[in-house]
Amino acid sequence: KQEVTQIPAALSVPEGENLVLNCSFTDSAIYNLQWFRQDPGKGLTSLLLIQSSQREQTSGRLNASLDKSSGRSTLYIAASQPGDSATYLCAVRNSGNTPLVFGKGTRLSVIA
Amino acid sequence: DAGVIQSPRHEVTEMGQEVTLRCKPISGHDYLFWYRQTMMRGLELLIYFNNNVPIDDSGMPEDRFSAKMPNASFSTLKIQPSEPRDSAVYFCASSFGLARQETQYFGPGTRLLVL
Repeated sequence: KQEVTQIPAALSVPEGENLVLNCSFTDSAIYNLQWFRQDPGKGLTSLLLIQSSQREQTSGRLNASLDKSSGRSTLYIAASQPGDSATYLCAVRNSGNTPLVFGKGTRLSVIA
Repeated sequence: DAGVIQSPRHEVTEMGQEVTLRCKPISGHDYLFWYRQTMMRGLELLIYFNNNVPIDDSGMPEDRFSAKMPNASFSTLKIQPSEPRDSAVYFCASSFGLARQETQYFGPGTRLLVL
């Protein structure tokens, strides 16, 4: 059974700092991996999706990498801003016809 | 499109009462998902539908939980009778296809408190 772990559970950084969020999964035979953002009291918003054949995806100040063999993904946020404060969740899909399996998320606070 | 719509946004009820949560997916999406989120367990998939048909309900915790999708634009998640441990945020999400590039779109959630 696929399990997704995100460490740390919470992170606080000063504004302007570059940071990395970590995600690990137990079954490396994944179909794709997604990073989501969740603001307090809101639903999830997809940030980046990496197919199993890809190594990374970039969107603005966000860069997600995927290392299937080691069962790891990282989300890199450059020049963090207070508006980046949210919970970031990682989710993997094991095959083309299975739903997403989510980690518990990392709660990020960017302090001005 | 207004996105995935859920109602009510907040629900407070007493133990033993029936609770019905509602969801309207994005028009044209053929998959609908119900999730439950708690601090302890994170985001858990309860059940999902494809073209209004339940595909996998293995995440439904007990017989007290039931979900229906009578048509492509409406789904309900019912808890009867409710218990305090059912207190959580319940999310509905929809997508066009399951493995395509398009992602799931989440509703704002229903925050349920069972006293």
